[in-house]
Amino acid sequence: GENVEQHPSTLSVQEGDSAVIKCTYSDSASNYFPWYKQELGKGPQLIIDIRSNVGEKKDQRIAVTLNKTAKHFSLHITETQPEDSAVYFCAVTRGSARQLTFGSGTQLTVLP
Amino acid sequence: DTGVSQDPRHKITKRGQNVTFRCDPISEHNRLYWYRQTLGQGPEFLTYFQNEAQLEKSRLLSDRFSAERPKGSFSTLEIQRTEQGDSAMYLCASSLALAYIRTDTQYFGPGTRLTVL
Repeated sequence: GENVEQHPSTLSVQEGDSAVIKCTYSDSASNYFPWYKQELGKGPQLIIDIRSNVGEKKDQRIAVTLNKTAKHFSLHITETQPEDSAVYFCAVTRGSARQLTFGSGTQLTVLP
Repeated sequence: DTGVSQDPRHKITKRGQNVTFRCDPISEHNRLYWYRQTLGQGPEFLTYFQNEAQLEKSRLLSDRFSAERPKGSFSTLEIQRTEQGDSAMYLCASSLALAYIRTDTQYFGPGTRLTVL
């Protein structure tokens, strides 16, 4: 089955700095890569996603890049704010499967 | 659009008791998923429905677990004879599957936190 590794497990940045979280996956047939943000006591919230026919996608301060050859994708958050503090999960799926396979999460702390 | 809702938000039960959780998906979403999340981990897939049909079940879904989605609307997840290892957050997600999109975006509910004493 699919295996997703996520790094780092914890990340602390100063407010205004950038944060980068990276995930690698094992199944070359994977074609959909969402990122979720989860705050304490809440369900995961989709923040950005990318499909395999695109190398990069940006939405305001958030961007995702995909390298299909190397089988990794990354979340980039610029101009971080304290409200960005949360656990971030990457996930992977492929067209023939419906379920998402999640990484183990990154606890992001933005220090004021 | 009120999003995915789940009830109850918290459930404390004693080992051996049965529990049932409910999920109401986003209106008109035809797919509904159940995941389980333990502390410090990402969600793990349990099962999913397309309309009222349960199409896939994970190996994590033991015989004590059963899920239904009558009439293709809300869904229930029942755990019989609960064990302490069942303590987790149970998450529901829904999506709108369209023929021309190979993978659909899943939107999650707030989850039901189960504690088995």
